[in-house]
Amino acid sequence: EPEVTQTPSHQVTQMGQEVILRCVPISNHLYFYWYRQILGQKVEFLVSFYNNEISEKSEIFDDQFSVERPDGSNFTLKIRSTKLEDSAMYFCASSGHGLGILNEQFFGPGTRLTVL
Amino acid sequence: GENVEQHPSTLSVQEGDSAVIKCTYSDSASNYFPWYKQELGKRPQLIIDIRSNVGEKKDQRIAVTLNKTAKHFSLHITETQPEDSAVYFCASEGQFYFGTGTSLTVIP
Repeated sequence: EPEVTQTPSHQVTQMGQEVILRCVPISNHLYFYWYRQILGQKVEFLVSFYNNEISEKSEIFDDQFSVERPDGSNFTLKIRSTKLEDSAMYFCASSGHGLGILNEQFFGPGTRLTVL
Repeated sequence: GENVEQHPSTLSVQEGDSAVIKCTYSDSASNYFPWYKQELGKRPQLIIDIRSNVGEKKDQRIAVTLNKTAKHFSLHITETQPEDSAVYFCASEGQFYFGTGTSLTVIP
């Protein structure tokens, strides 16, 4: 069964550094998402992406965040200048078979980001 | 944006008993309500979902009910088993908004 994959599984960085988290969505999916989950807390929506542009974003997704689909398979989340409070698990998800956003989202295994 | 509240935050039941988790939402335009199960250290996985055109949906031991008038929906797990122990999240409005989670423990 196809799965969403994410790399790396764990990223450690110094405060102020840039990080890029990578995701490979399921190949025939059209909608892509990033979420974060601070340890022990709920899953928080960051951004959704469709047709090569951001379709929705939350208040968390400020100017230090950006997303890109650099080729036909990867979907990346960049954090320009990491802060301590960016430490969290970041989940990528994908969905859609051309029927709109109200479809099951398939989550990747997550990247645990630790900012020191 | 949507505001999703989930109760209880923790729930312990004896194996074989039923568990019920409730969520309320604020946006009356919401039409899709999934439930996710997240085991420790793992990704959220969809276990059941319901659309606004039905009031109840069942899949083996799991059921979800929806009351659009009252803007709440509930997850029902019957004949609970130890492997049901996990954190359960409800979500709404294109799944962008998750509830705060319920940590379910099934005691053997």
